[in-house]
Amino acid sequence: ELKVEQNPLFLSMQEGKNYTIYCNYSTTSDRLYWYRQDPGKSLESLFVLLSNGAVKQEGRLMASLDTKARLSTLHITAAVHDLSATYFCAVGPTTRSHYGGATNKLIFGTGTLLAVQP
Amino acid sequence: EAQVTQNPRYLITVTGKKLTVTCSQNMNHEYMSWYRQDPGLGLRQIYYSMNVEVTDKGDVPEGYKVSRKEKRNFPLILESPSPNQTSLYFCASSSPIYSPDTQYFGPGTRLTVL
Repeated sequence: ELKVEQNPLFLSMQEGKNYTIYCNYSTTSDRLYWYRQDPGKSLESLFVLLSNGAVKQEGRLMASLDTKARLSTLHITAAVHDLSATYFCAVGPTTRSHYGGATNKLIFGTGTLLAVQP
Repeated sequence: EAQVTQNPRYLITVTGKKLTVTCSQNMNHEYMSWYRQDPGLGLRQIYYSMNVEVTDKGDVPEGYKVSRKEKRNFPLILESPSPNQTSLYFCASSSPIYSPDTQYFGPGTRLTVL
């Protein structure tokens, strides 16, 4: 059974500082996603990582994937208040449906609540 | 505008009264999913669908039904809602054909079962 763990669950940081959110998963996967959720809002896709060593960057956020270690990281550089939100990783297991095809099964981490203080 | 819509956005109902939450997408996506979000538990997948008439159970399917008769629609049916189904529900869609397989989420439906 695929399990996804995020650390930390809560992160309070000052503007200008760097930090990393970790996403560990327990079985093989062929895709990993990062999402952002603002309070009371829906989820917004940030990154899709599909291969070992994949690195993607958007503004102050950079995501990477190490499939051998079953670990993805979301690195925040020089945090600003606008980055305050809950961040989720989600992992797609390398399973086939009973119809034989690929699936859109996803397992989410419990989320990291990021609060950036001025 | 590319979007996923859900209706209703808010619903308060009573135990046992059948209800349907609709989900529709206008992006011609093959994949659609339903999730529930509960505090401290993140999002959990209820059901997912790979295409018309192709659905499968997620991690928490008990008490829910789905159907995918048209590509754009993926309704979630609660035949006999119970208080433990009080939650925030999200529908999402994506396509395995388009890179990078971004999943688009609907605005959410907040359901309260009394």
